[in-house]
Amino acid sequence: EAQVTQNPRYLITVTGKKLTVTCSQNMNHEYMSWYRQDPGLGLRQIYYSMNVEVTDKGDVPEGYKVSRKEKRNFPLILESPSPNQTSLYFCASSYVTDAGELFFGEGSRLTVL
Amino acid sequence: AQSVTQPDIHITVSEGASLELRCNYSYGATPYLFWYVQSPGQGLQLLLKYFSGDTLVQGIKGFEAEFKRSQSSFNLRKPSVHWSDAAEYFCAAVSINNDMRFGAGTRLTVKP
Repeated sequence: EAQVTQNPRYLITVTGKKLTVTCSQNMNHEYMSWYRQDPGLGLRQIYYSMNVEVTDKGDVPEGYKVSRKEKRNFPLILESPSPNQTSLYFCASSYVTDAGELFFGEGSRLTVL
Repeated sequence: AQSVTQPDIHITVSEGASLELRCNYSYGATPYLFWYVQSPGQGLQLLLKYFSGDTLVQGIKGFEAEFKRSQSSFNLRKPSVHWSDAAEYFCAAVSINNDMRFGAGTRLTVKP
């Protein structure tokens, strides 16, 4: 089954404790991206990657890091989480030739205390 | 700056009634346009897309959308809403350089 898998789905952590949210897709998509969803703001792009070893900042990259060492994986790293990073995070992927036709993961709800 | 606007935060319709969700975009050139649906606790699912050509596009679940260049709009419609359509709907646009923006979403409530 074609899917984008995120882990963990739910996480409560404390300020400053490094965490990683993993994202994996099994569709051989070149393009992968991370979004955060906050009430009234819709989805805002954090980082995206057009292919292996190619990453770029989205609209709200501050406080986040990503890496793309393999085509299928695109982890999101919060080196020192802060309460304003409490949010619902989505990973998405697509073929580069199908810009905008994104497949989304089920989301990771992160709470930073 | 490029943006997508959904003017209605929340809409309530009765089951069986028609539905129209509004979307306006502000891009230098006409972007590719999309509607996504998010059911509670789920990720987003693509409903339909517009790249070019026929300005009325059909999607899944009985939805359609009409592109109007003169109004920079891409409104989503459904002739008869079902209770299972209750969800949040997002309009999105992407430019040729892959700058993708989402609207803030419209939450749809369906009354029995």
